[in-house]
Amino acid sequence: DQQVKQNSPSLSVQEGRISILNCDYTNSMFDYFLWYKKYPAEGPTFLISISSIKDKNEDGRFTVFLNKSAKHLSLHIVPSQPGDSAVYFCAARASGSARQLTFGSGTQLTVLP
Amino acid sequence: GAGVSQSPSNKVTEKGKDVELRCDPISGHTALYWYRQSLGQGLEFLIYFQGNSAPDKSGLPSDRFSAERTGGSVSTLTIQRTQQEDSAVYLCASRGAGSFDQPQHFGDGTRLSIL
Repeated sequence: DQQVKQNSPSLSVQEGRISILNCDYTNSMFDYFLWYKKYPAEGPTFLISISSIKDKNEDGRFTVFLNKSAKHLSLHIVPSQPGDSAVYFCAARASGSARQLTFGSGTQLTVLP
Repeated sequence: GAGVSQSPSNKVTEKGKDVELRCDPISGHTALYWYRQSLGQGLEFLIYFQGNSAPDKSGLPSDRFSAERTGGSVSTLTIQRTQQEDSAVYLCASRGAGSFDQPQHFGDGTRLSIL
């Protein structure tokens, strides 16, 4: 049973426009959420995170929104750049745990010049 | 370098052989994790080390898999009698001490191919 779901395996966006990547989760014990970006043949790189006590966290062009009632989070990238083309993974961690992250299956973002 | 280092970057071996994968975490990081990513899938948790505590092995798929962490630093993941379904990218991550709200930092992984 997938506890973290990324239902869109791929997304294409024009350069300069907004990219919106979505993630849904089922485990109500998750309280810390992260987005990672992954280029081919490299490990995932941490991008941005959000704690469940917040509904928004912003870092430059990247903003993560959390809707706890809907068990949904999204990553907004604006403006999108060709270098943003990568696989984006959503991950979640259960409350009070220092243990493992549960990952979604990823969304391949392609930003077209 | 300052990041998580994994070796080898690629490993091809025959079914039935044993393999050993190595991870050097970021200096000073007390938590170390192993994950694997099969083709087209997300990352799957394998094992977690925190300081001198007993590791959390709940993600290991079978008793052919084992891991050690010596001196609280370097870790090795060993797969005995490899099977074709073990083919995947094996990723190591480490996390600093202090607040739990710190991200894990990943190495570039070892791509394991079982023939």
